[in-house]
Amino acid sequence: EVQLVESGGGLIQPGGSLRLSCAASGFTVSNNYMSWVRQAPGKGLEWVSTMFDADSTYYANSVKGRFTISRDDSKNTLYLQMNTLRAEDTAMYYCAREALGYFDFWGQGTLVTVSS
Amino acid sequence: DIQMTQSPSSVSASVGDRVTITCRASHGINNWLAWYQQKPGKSPNLLIYAASSLQSGVPLRFSGSGSGTDFTLTISSLQPEDFATYYCQQANSFPRTFGGGTKVEIK
Repeated sequence: EVQLVESGGGLIQPGGSLRLSCAASGFTVSNNYMSWVRQAPGKGLEWVSTMFDADSTYYANSVKGRFTISRDDSKNTLYLQMNTLRAEDTAMYYCAREALGYFDFWGQGTLVTVSS
Repeated sequence: DIQMTQSPSSVSASVGDRVTITCRASHGINNWLAWYQQKPGKSPNLLIYAASSLQSGVPLRFSGSGSGTDFTLTISSLQPEDFATYYCQQANSFPRTFGGGTKVEIK
């Protein structure tokens, strides 16, 4: 059974850093495109980043230069390093497997709140 | 970037009604389009991919159509468990983009 479990969210001050994790089971992360999608409170879905390998990473303009997607193949885990956080980064962050551009499995999400 | 525009933003309907949601892309995306359902407090769930292909386990009352820039999600006979928010998403290129969502509410 495919499962994605996110962790690492929390309350952080503006300008701070946070690393989100997404532990996968039931499939191999390194054989798939993996993504992060976020949803601000009461708002719609916003794609954040996608990774296939170290040479194939993609970012939304809103996070480019501040966020870094990566993975640890030995742990079958995806990460999102978030630096220089802003209030507008406040959202539920979902990890998702991407198949041919479609997000076919999603985690339950981890909430990031950027506030002083 | 490809902009995705959904309409309506909300619809009130009764159980048994036929509901249609449209999605328009700012540029042609062939059939690289997905539809998701999201219930309050839950993660999104893939319903339709490649514009008209039903994801495994999704009821047959859901269907998708369209190509190029104009797409439609149809629920043939609305069930109580279908009251939710629906999003379209283009998979033609990066950045991936979503429509603004359509909330299907109980009339």
